[in-house]
Amino acid sequence: NAGVTQTPKFQVLKTGQSMTLQCAQDMNHEYMSWYRQDPGMGLRLIHYSVGAGITDQGEVPNGYNVSRSTTEDFPLRLLSAAPSQTSVYFCASSSAGAKGTQYFGPGTRLTVL
Amino acid sequence: GQQLNQSPQSMFIQEGEDVSMNCTSSSIFNTWLWYKQEPGEGPVLLIALYKAGELTSNGRLTAQFGITRKDSFLNISASIPSDVGIYFCAGLTGNQFYFGTGTSLTVIP
Repeated sequence: NAGVTQTPKFQVLKTGQSMTLQCAQDMNHEYMSWYRQDPGMGLRLIHYSVGAGITDQGEVPNGYNVSRSTTEDFPLRLLSAAPSQTSVYFCASSSAGAKGTQYFGPGTRLTVL
Repeated sequence: GQQLNQSPQSMFIQEGEDVSMNCTSSSIFNTWLWYKQEPGEGPVLLIALYKAGELTSNGRLTAQFGITRKDSFLNISASIPSDVGIYFCAGLTGNQFYFGTGTSLTVIP
């Protein structure tokens, strides 16, 4: 098993550009989530999904869209990047819903100029 | 959103010493978790706590779910250099996790 994979590892965008951060897991986990990590702020939940076709907002959803068309994939879209979205983004998945052990991907470091 | 206050922010200790850190919130959580993160990596789960008052160990790590459900504690005994990293608490309510701001641990050989 590859676990949770994220691409790209690093990305630089200009303000206003759009992009998609990819996340995939091969553990057949129902629950997947996206976090951003900023210095001194810990991790904050952006969006999450409890299964294919179901998504919901987390603590900081503004400026981000998600979809969950398959169990394996949970992409995060930035429609119009802003400097405030400069951060490290982590995707995670869990087997037993939110109460299961969350496995985190290696992260994507995004810089918006 | 929910605020989890984690302390201390950083610790510098000698190898072999014990470590204690805690996490408090103004809100009640149904589950408390403790993670460790090393540079350039995602967080890794250390201990999960599911009931108020629960005390759980994982090797040299021991964590407790506070009786009020608003706090949790993590202890590391006999620290070693590979314990270096940032430790995060997280609380679960509904389907949403809320993370503390982290405790940075440095172990001096």
